[in-house]
Amino acid sequence: EIVLTQSPGTLSLSPGERATLSCRASQSVSSSYLAWYQQKPGQAPRLLIYGASSRATGIPDRFSGSGSGTDFTLTISRLEPEDFAVYYCQQASAFGQGTKVEIK
Amino acid sequence: QVQLQQWGAGLLKPSETLSLTCAVYGGSFSGYYWSWIRQPPGKGLEWIGEINHSGSTNYNPSLKSRVTISVDTSKNQFSLKLSSVTAADTAVYYCARGADPYCSGGSCYSNRYDYWGQGTLVTVSS
Repeated sequence: EIVLTQSPGTLSLSPGERATLSCRASQSVSSSYLAWYQQKPGQAPRLLIYGASSRATGIPDRFSGSGSGTDFTLTISRLEPEDFAVYYCQQASAFGQGTKVEIK
Repeated sequence: QVQLQQWGAGLLKPSETLSLTCAVYGGSFSGYYWSWIRQPPGKGLEWIGEINHSGSTNYNPSLKSRVTISVDTSKNQFSLKLSSVTAADTAVYYCARGADPYCSGGSCYSNRYDYWGQGTLVTVSS
């Protein structure tokens, strides 16, 4: 069973800054099978990235995903106020524990 | 536009059975996995299980003995039953559409969850 470990637990940044979130898998996974989600308080998660690097429908291009093997990254190039949220990675039945991006 | 709308009892006593249903509006019902995912208050996401349109299921091993997911293709609905609930089952329960499945070792898993229900808070308390 794959375990996904996200880091850091919390990222404190200002609007306009770049956010880099990490997701590490306990064993190598195909990059086709890694997804990222954004969740805001009181809302269901929203799919951002699938296949490690493909943006879901309607997702702004400031969100990008990369990585392969066991190390994957979600990058938000310039944080907008609406981007402060919790982000989860997912592969098959496993979810990471989440990274909270908070306003500094 | 695909929409998932879910409903079910929000307050249960220990040992009762949780029952939730999710209706799918728009889009195709076949070709996808229909999934349940939960989130305890203040915590992360936990995959419960999923079913395809032909009734093939896959469950979280930690919950497998208590979980049943079923599908009604005539109504484009799928349901979750979780028996013998305890306070540890208190969570927001989400239904979701799983896309792009891959199969390994006899089990199939979704590679992404692209549409989600609104969530139902289920509280287990005596």
